[in-house]
Amino acid sequence: GAGVSQSPSNKVTEKGKDVELRCDPISGHTALYWYRQSLGQGLEFLIYFQGNSAPDKSGLPSDRFSAERTGGSVSTLTIQRTQQEDSAVYLCASSPLGRTDTQYFGPGTRLTVL
Amino acid sequence: EDQVTQSPEALRLQEGESSSLNCSYTVSGLRGLFWYRQDPGKGPEFLFTLYSAGEEKEKERLKATLTKKESFLHITAPKPEDSATYLCAVRAHGSGNTGKLIFGQGTTLQVKP
Repeated sequence: GAGVSQSPSNKVTEKGKDVELRCDPISGHTALYWYRQSLGQGLEFLIYFQGNSAPDKSGLPSDRFSAERTGGSVSTLTIQRTQQEDSAVYLCASSPLGRTDTQYFGPGTRLTVL
Repeated sequence: EDQVTQSPEALRLQEGESSSLNCSYTVSGLRGLFWYRQDPGKGPEFLFTLYSAGEEKEKERLKATLTKKESFLHITAPKPEDSATYLCAVRAHGSGNTGKLIFGQGTTLQVKP
């Protein structure tokens, strides 16, 4: 079956612009995660969605970052007023209900802020 | 603070030369330790989950073990296709009901033919 998909695969933007990154989880998966992978650093948790529950936003680095999940499926991560330090690969993952220990990752979106 | 440290950062092996990767962790109560494989330009691919000290999991040439302070990923007689970055992650009691994972920086393995 289809895995987690993310778009765009690459995004180059200018400092100060807003960007939107999209994630399509595996069909039927109820949990969705966003992580950030910066050069030379490990994956950093950003946000978690589970069904209709309030999301865990504890990993968002600043109020310039926000995410939403519509209809319990597709998610969009928005970064406002991008900064050069926002340059990274943004990874999305999903898990089936009751199996949050198994996270299936998408290929990521490489964001470059000039 | 929950933390995961992997060593070495990079490892070069000849085909058939067995070795081990280390993952040391400090967490406020371990709810699971995870190993992932990541190929260049791709997202991490799940390999193993370990939950308690003494537990072992195997898959082809890979074997993961767990103690109270660290985990090892043993690679037996590796092949060039095993070349990848191997990531270790933990889930801590502080993560509540979320699946929030704390990742190490990874070990990049290169296996030469």
